[in-house]
Amino acid sequence: GAVVSQHPSWVICKSGTSVKIECRSLDFQATTMFWYRQFPKQSLMLMATSNEGSKATYEQGVEKDKFLINHASLTLSTLTVTSAHPEDSSFYICSANKGQGSSPLHFGNGTRLTVT
Amino acid sequence: RKEVEQDPGPFNVPEGATVAFNCTYSNSASQSFFWYRQDCRKEPKLLMSVYSSGNEDGRFTAQLNRASQYISLLIRDSKLSDSATYLCVVGFSGGYNKLIFGAGTRLAVHP
Repeated sequence: GAVVSQHPSWVICKSGTSVKIECRSLDFQATTMFWYRQFPKQSLMLMATSNEGSKATYEQGVEKDKFLINHASLTLSTLTVTSAHPEDSSFYICSANKGQGSSPLHFGNGTRLTVT
Repeated sequence: RKEVEQDPGPFNVPEGATVAFNCTYSNSASQSFFWYRQDCRKEPKLLMSVYSSGNEDGRFTAQLNRASQYISLLIRDSKLSDSATYLCVVGFSGGYNKLIFGAGTRLAVHP
């Protein structure tokens, strides 16, 4: 069964509004979660690393003030897309490492965001 | 140069065919290697980890060549259900697991 839950699965919003996406680890504690974005026919691109109790680490080119990440508990990380624009329309996926070291990641089911 | 490079395909093969995917990575400090499968509009799902000695899981065989920084995936006796995009993924540890994804190779298996 799923070990990482993401909500909502899809969302349509108007330009200028903000959208919050939740990512939960279901049966384990995740001190670190990852947020990816995937445009059609392209690779998953790491946006940021979410660290429980501290600031997220953003990848180069990702605006931290636009993509707000909060990791307030060991089982929940949220990504808020602020003042969304049509070019933010994408597939956003979170992931977490259930094991130690180089264990593979478990992914949430993704959120398809469409900004009109 | 991309950190992880794959042939985008698509590979169109008949059922029962054997198909091989290749992948190269640029960072010699990479420590972990995986193949993920992604179906259209879905999240990636782990297909298999890749070990230096090579490993097999049913019809799937993965190989790693660290000297050449090259990873491969072989699928034997292709099934219609194998149709998907196969992602080559390279990981770095150091406290947590940061993964770099290739753009994927699309496979279409037809009757």
